[in-house]
Amino acid sequence: ETGVTQSPTHLIKTRGQQVTLRCSSQSGHNTVSWYQQALGQGPQFIFQYYREEENGRGNFPPRFSGLQFPNYSSELNVNALELDDSALYLCASSLPLAGGNTGELFFGEGSRLTVL
Amino acid sequence: QKEVEQDPGPLSVPEGAIVSLNCTYSNSAFQYFMWYRQYSRKGPELLMYTYSSGNKEDGRFTAQVDKSSKYISLFIRDSQPSDSATYLCAILTTGFQKLVFGTGTRLLVSP
Repeated sequence: ETGVTQSPTHLIKTRGQQVTLRCSSQSGHNTVSWYQQALGQGPQFIFQYYREEENGRGNFPPRFSGLQFPNYSSELNVNALELDDSALYLCASSLPLAGGNTGELFFGEGSRLTVL
Repeated sequence: QKEVEQDPGPLSVPEGAIVSLNCTYSNSAFQYFMWYRQYSRKGPELLMYTYSSGNKEDGRFTAQVDKSSKYISLFIRDSQPSDSATYLCAILTTGFQKLVFGTGTRLLVSP
């Protein structure tokens, strides 16, 4: 059973650019969530995808968007990067909280984005 | 008021000490509680998961939930230098699976 994998691990962008981060979910997990973790803070929920549809979103502007593919992998796209977007971006996969599943979320190692 | 409050520390203890990490939360509807451990520049790793009041034990770790006080705790017995990390409490909201995290407590265990 493979865990959650994310790419790239590190990247540097400049203000105004766009970035795409990628995530492969744990085997069998059909729900993917993205979190932003600023330095010294707990992760903040960005959005969640289930069956290729966004089914929940946190307090992030529309320039944060995502996709989920039929194999349950996912992308996070951020347009018009700002300095405050510098953070660790975490992907988590899970099974739905239903049908006896406990809904535990398992995280990847993250993609560390620096915006200059 | 934040939904989940957690003292950021750092908390420094000697090897072998019993560590107590705590969080409070504001929404009495919360039902699922988790503790994650996060080493520097790594992703969070799920340590403990519980959904009822009371204690849950796993090796040197004990998670405690008091829903009447909206208080959750993680105890680490016989702490080791390898336990040095940031410990994040998290609450899973129902409806859709959103985790609300505390800020994390940085723990330092010295040999």
